[in-house]
Amino acid sequence: AQSVTQLGSHVSVSEGALVLLRCNYSSSVPPYLFWYVQYPNQGLQLLLKYTSAATLVKGINDFEAEFKKSETSFHLTKPSAHMSDAAEYFCAVSDPFNTDKLIFGTGTRLQVFP
Amino acid sequence: DSGVTQTPKHLITATGQRVTLRCSPRSGDLSVYWYQQSLDQGLQFLIQYYNGEERAKGNILERFSAQQFPDLHSELNLSSLELGDSALYFCASSPAERMNTEAFFGQGTRLTVV
Repeated sequence: AQSVTQLGSHVSVSEGALVLLRCNYSSSVPPYLFWYVQYPNQGLQLLLKYTSAATLVKGINDFEAEFKKSETSFHLTKPSAHMSDAAEYFCAVSDPFNTDKLIFGTGTRLQVFP
Repeated sequence: DSGVTQTPKHLITATGQRVTLRCSPRSGDLSVYWYQQSLDQGLQFLIQYYNGEERAKGNILERFSAQQFPDLHSELNLSSLELGDSALYFCASSPAERMNTEAFFGQGTRLTVV
């Protein structure tokens, strides 16, 4: 069964600093991986997805993530944080042969300080 | 705007009552997914419908049921409500039967059981 672990329920960075949100997955087959963002009082919005093409995936708002099979990781990064990036971020996994649902991690709340 | 509409946005009801949450998917999307988001459980997959038929079930209680109508809108029925059912309920839609592409989430219905 697939699962994801997001290390750190809260991450705080200064505006302009590097953002790194960690996600490790567990899957018996090469998975599909997703990062979603949830702004306050909003639904989830897809940031980026990995579906077995390029291992470095670029998403919206300058976010990117790298699929590392050897580390079973799919960490999310952004070179320079903006105040508007403050939100909750969810990593999710699905089995490409049984993609009936997404399995979400517990989320990481990103705070950005001026 | 994701194109997925959920109504109502907020719902306050008493224990033991029954409520219906409604979801209109994006135009053309055949799959509808229901998720429950709570502080202690995170984002939990409840159920998926594709073109009117149930496709996958997750951690959905027997007191809960859902359906998808011919016009593709979906309803989630929650009965014999308990305090622990208080949560944010999300609907998501996607064009495919399988969750291997982007899912578009509505803004959710916040259910408070008192």
